Amino acid sequence: EAQVTQNPRYLITVTGKKLTVTCSQNMNHEYMSWYRQDPGLGLRQIYYSMNVEVTDKGDVPEGYKVSRKEKRNFPLILESPSPNQTSLYFCASSLAGALNEQFFGPGTRLTVL
Amino acid sequence: LAKTTQPISMDSYEGQEVNITCSHNNIATNDYITWYQQFPSQGPRFIIQGYKTKVTNEVASLFIPADRKSSTLSLPRVSLSDTAVYYCLVGEGTGFQKLVFGTGTRLLVSP
Repeated sequence: EAQVTQNPRYLITVTGKKLTVTCSQNMNHEYMSWYRQDPGLGLRQIYYSMNVEVTDKGDVPEGYKVSRKEKRNFPLILESPSPNQTSLYFCASSLAGALNEQFFGPGTRLTVL
Repeated sequence: LAKTTQPISMDSYEGQEVNITCSHNNIATNDYITWYQQFPSQGPRFIIQGYKTKVTNEVASLFIPADRKSSTLSLPRVSLSDTAVYYCLVGEGTGFQKLVFGTGTRLLVSP
C-alpha cells in the first residue's frame, strides 16, 4: 500500500531532550516536507526537500533540523525541544514538488513539558 | 506567493450542494489553484487542482473565472462525512517548493 508513515505517533518529552520523528514513504517520491499544525494557525511548513541531500527552510524552521540521506526517509530532528514546539506534526511527500498532489502521514502529536 | 482568503466556516445539510469560494487577487500567471481536505487529527488530503475554467473529478468540481482572482470548490450532495476543513492554496507549478495552507474553511454538515 502506498503510504507515508511517521513514528512515533504520540510523544511526551521534556525540555532539552533531543528527539527525532521519523518519516518514510514508499512511493519513490522526490519531494518531502514537514509541517506543524497549531490551533488557529493552520498548517505551517517547517522544512522541505526536493531530493536526496537537498533540503531547504519553510516558513517556521527555527529549532528544527532535517536530513535527506535516502530518498524514502526524511527525519525531523529537535535538538533541544522547547514547550513552544508542542504541536501536531505532519510529514508529506509528492512526486516532484509542492504543487504535485501531496500525500500526508498520519501525524505525530508532540508534547514538550 | 499569492495570498488566499476563504470564509472561516460554513454550515450545510446532507444532500445539499456546497460551494466554497477562495479569493486570490494577486494570483500570478503561472500559479495553479489547489484544494485540500482535512479531517480532525488527520493529514490533509488532495481534492482537486486547476489552472483555469472548470475541472471536475469524482469528488468535486473547481470553477475558475477568466480573471482567476477567485475560485470556487463545489461539493455535490454533501454527506456528514464531508464535515472537514477545506484549504485553498495558490502557487506556481514550476520551481515552487513552499506551500502555505492558511487556516482554511471549516465545513459542518448536519443531518
